[in-house]
Amino acid sequence: KQEVTQIPAALSVPEGENLVLNCSFTDSAIYNLQWFRQDPGKGLTSLLLIQSSQREQTSGRLNASLDKSSGRSTLYIAASQPGDSATYLCAVKGNTPLVFGKGTRLSVIA
Amino acid sequence: GAGVSQSPSNKVTEKGKDVELRCDPISGHTALYWYRQSLGQGLEFLIYFQGNSAPDKSGLPSDRFSAERTGGSVSTLTIQRTQQEDSAVYLCASSSPGGVQAGEQYFGPGTRLTVT
Repeated sequence: KQEVTQIPAALSVPEGENLVLNCSFTDSAIYNLQWFRQDPGKGLTSLLLIQSSQREQTSGRLNASLDKSSGRSTLYIAASQPGDSATYLCAVKGNTPLVFGKGTRLSVIA
Repeated sequence: GAGVSQSPSNKVTEKGKDVELRCDPISGHTALYWYRQSLGQGLEFLIYFQGNSAPDKSGLPSDRFSAERTGGSVSTLTIQRTQQEDSAVYLCASSSPGGVQAGEQYFGPGTRLTVT
């Protein structure tokens, strides 16, 4: 059974810092991995989708990497801003629909 | 274009009542998913529809839960005889015909269900 773990559970950084969020998964037989952002009381916003054949994806200040063999992904956020404050969720898709981690709650302090 | 929409946004119901939650996927998306997000439990998969295939119901927690998708578009999640442990945010997502195995999932804003 696929399990997804996100570390750290919470993170607080000063504005302008670069930061890395970690995601690990137990079954490397995945089709894709998706990073989401969730603001309090809101739904999920898709940030990046990495197919199993890809190593990384970039969107603006965000860069996500995937090492399928080791069961790891990282989300790199450059030059963090207070507006980046949210919960970031990692989810993997194998032979079942998405399996989610419990998220990293990020606070960027101005 | 329009995203995934869900209604109602909030629902408060008494224990034992039935509730229906609605999801309108993105037009043209053939795959539709329901998830539940509970405090301390994270997001869990409930049910998945792909085109005209039989739905994958493997995530439904009990036989009080059911869902249907009419005309390959709108979906309704029904919870019968609601219990307090059903209180959660119910999220719907859809993905493009690019294939369930590769498709990026887009989520609606969710329905917050509170069972009193």
